Amino acid sequence: GAGVSQSPSNKVTEKGKDVELRCDPISGHTALYWYRQRLGQGLEFLIYFQGNSAPDKSGLPSDRFSAERTGESVSTLTIQRTQQEDSAVYLCASSLDPGRGYTFGSGTRLTVV
Amino acid sequence: KQEVTQIPAALSVPEGENLVLNCSFTDSAIYNLQWFRQDPGKGLTSLLLIQSSQREQTSGRLNASLDKSSGRSTLYIAASQPGDSATYLCAVISDMRFGAGTRLTVKP
Repeated sequence: GAGVSQSPSNKVTEKGKDVELRCDPISGHTALYWYRQRLGQGLEFLIYFQGNSAPDKSGLPSDRFSAERTGESVSTLTIQRTQQEDSAVYLCASSLDPGRGYTFGSGTRLTVV
Repeated sequence: KQEVTQIPAALSVPEGENLVLNCSFTDSAIYNLQWFRQDPGKGLTSLLLIQSSQREQTSGRLNASLDKSSGRSTLYIAASQPGDSATYLCAVISDMRFGAGTRLTVKP
């Protein structure tokens, strides 16, 4: 596609439920990143996929968070047993390669009630 | 671990003023650095990408410089306009680390 697409744009869920967030990167971009941005704060790195290499999961805050990527296409970020502190905007970015800079999607605003 | 700091956290200027936003990083062995703007409730829009071999990049009224030896990058905005009001973030792409941003307000 022309840009990075994220869905849904907004998600309200009850505490304890599981949620799946989707990111569709720019076609041909081998690198894909997930970040979290809490209200009024900076971007917190979560996970990085590069081609068929093992992902860098060093930023995932707990084992309730997981992410998958199918080849060099769509990625899903799953949060199990959501907590109120998971409320944030989840941003996805892709890159042709790590040296080319990021292109971001518009994000998914997650609210846990 | 790479730490990226942006000062000031917030800045308010009158329209027409030239201004400089600062970004510092602790590990100078960077590959590239990217500046973004973020409007309230929106995603990030790329402004400028500087490779480690470059010293500066320009786009319109924006100029970004990179000094690896001192661990600093600056974003210069000329003749600021109210439409420039946004949060500006810098990122050390190779380390996947962002600064917390500078919130800029340009008053008419």
